[in-house]
Amino acid sequence: AQTVTQSQPEMSVQEAETVTLSCTYDTSENNYYLFWYKQPPSRQMILVIRQEAYKQQNATENRFSVNFQKAAKSFSLKISDSQLGDTAMYFCATSQGGGGADGLTFGKGTHLIIQP
Amino acid sequence: DTAVSQTPKYLVTQMGNDKSIKCEQNLGHDTMYWYKQDSKKFLKIMFSYNNKELIINETVPNRFSPKSPDKAHLNLHINSLELGDSAVYFCASSQLAGSTDTQYFGPGTRLTVL
Repeated sequence: AQTVTQSQPEMSVQEAETVTLSCTYDTSENNYYLFWYKQPPSRQMILVIRQEAYKQQNATENRFSVNFQKAAKSFSLKISDSQLGDTAMYFCATSQGGGGADGLTFGKGTHLIIQP
Repeated sequence: DTAVSQTPKYLVTQMGNDKSIKCEQNLGHDTMYWYKQDSKKFLKIMFSYNNKELIINETVPNRFSPKSPDKAHLNLHINSLELGDSAVYFCASSQLAGSTDTQYFGPGTRLTVL
């Protein structure tokens, strides 16, 4: 079974600062994917960034980047130049990969608050 | 165009009633899912459907049943609703062939059982 742990229930930073959300996971799979989803107050689940476990290069999407440490099973999200619109719940998740239809396993989330 | 849609967005009902939540995706995906988000925001998979075949079914009461009339739809039926069923229910879809396992979510349905 897969598990995902997010150890920061809530974080608060000033606008324009850089913030890092932590995530660790456990899986017995060799082929899997890791995700960060954002859930703003509208409750829509929005994909922020995706990382293939077999790729060593860290994924980046504009102001969002990850630090993927496969041996340590760590997958942190860095948000640069934070904006008020980044205020949301952030969920780390993993999938089985390999074409399996198992659902995503989510962490409990981090509530990120960007202060003006 | 909405990729994954759910109806209704809000559902308030009495204990003991039977209700359904509809989900449709226009992404051409071959797998659809239902998740439950509880009051503490924890998301947990309930079901997934691939080519009309139930792939997984976590420890979900048999009062819950997914029904897929075609590949683009996966509806959730709930019988004899209980107070503990109050939650937000999300539908999602993904493409398995050449998969990156990325799932796209609907807007969620907030179910309140009184």
